[in-house]
Amino acid sequence: LAKTTQPISMDSYEGQEVNITCSHNNIATNDYITWYQQFPSQGPRFIIQGYKTKVTNEVASLFIPADRKSSTLSLPRVSLSDTAVYYCLVGDPYNTDKLIFGTGTRLQVFP
Amino acid sequence: DAGVIQSPRHEVTEMGQEVTLRCKPISGHDYLFWYRQTMMRGLELLIYFNNNVPIDDSGMPEDRFSAKMPNASFSTLKIQPSEPRDSAVYFCASSLAPASGDYEQYFGPGTRLTVT
Repeated sequence: LAKTTQPISMDSYEGQEVNITCSHNNIATNDYITWYQQFPSQGPRFIIQGYKTKVTNEVASLFIPADRKSSTLSLPRVSLSDTAVYYCLVGDPYNTDKLIFGTGTRLQVFP
Repeated sequence: DAGVIQSPRHEVTEMGQEVTLRCKPISGHDYLFWYRQTMMRGLELLIYFNNNVPIDDSGMPEDRFSAKMPNASFSTLKIQPSEPRDSAVYFCASSLAPASGDYEQYFGPGTRLTVT
């Protein structure tokens, strides 16, 4: 399974756009990139998943360059409620159902 | 659907006692996962089941841990005997088969275990 590297923590202010980058240099051809969000005292929650280029949903956007060795989760106009830990995971959903959660990025949003 | 249900939400026990954690996955889901989360080690996969059959238990820390899934709607994680280092939050998650196109794992609220 591809190893991921992401910043340990980030700070932002309400209303700003936050971009969290994840490095996954040994991503395999069949691997997808998935991001989860975890609030204190809760289980992780799926945010977004992509394979290449750009994916957007009502919560976030995911940018994946052509070489797929990194990806960027973009949260538009964050609010205090976006304060959480964000995990980047890489894996082939068809050949393995294991998600390896790294240390994640702890995002703190200030008023 | 009520989502993944775990019980109890909190458990405090003494070292040496048996602990049983319970999980009810989302109806219709094919996969069930047990995770453990601590400050030191983060979120670790312990074991997962596909259609009630254990597929990979390589994450189970030692023989004191065992997990069962007697039917599609119920799973248990048992620790016997428990030790203080087992103190953690234990999460259960379930998902559909990848072929469904829905790759998301749906997590329960977790069980906070404290072993004194």
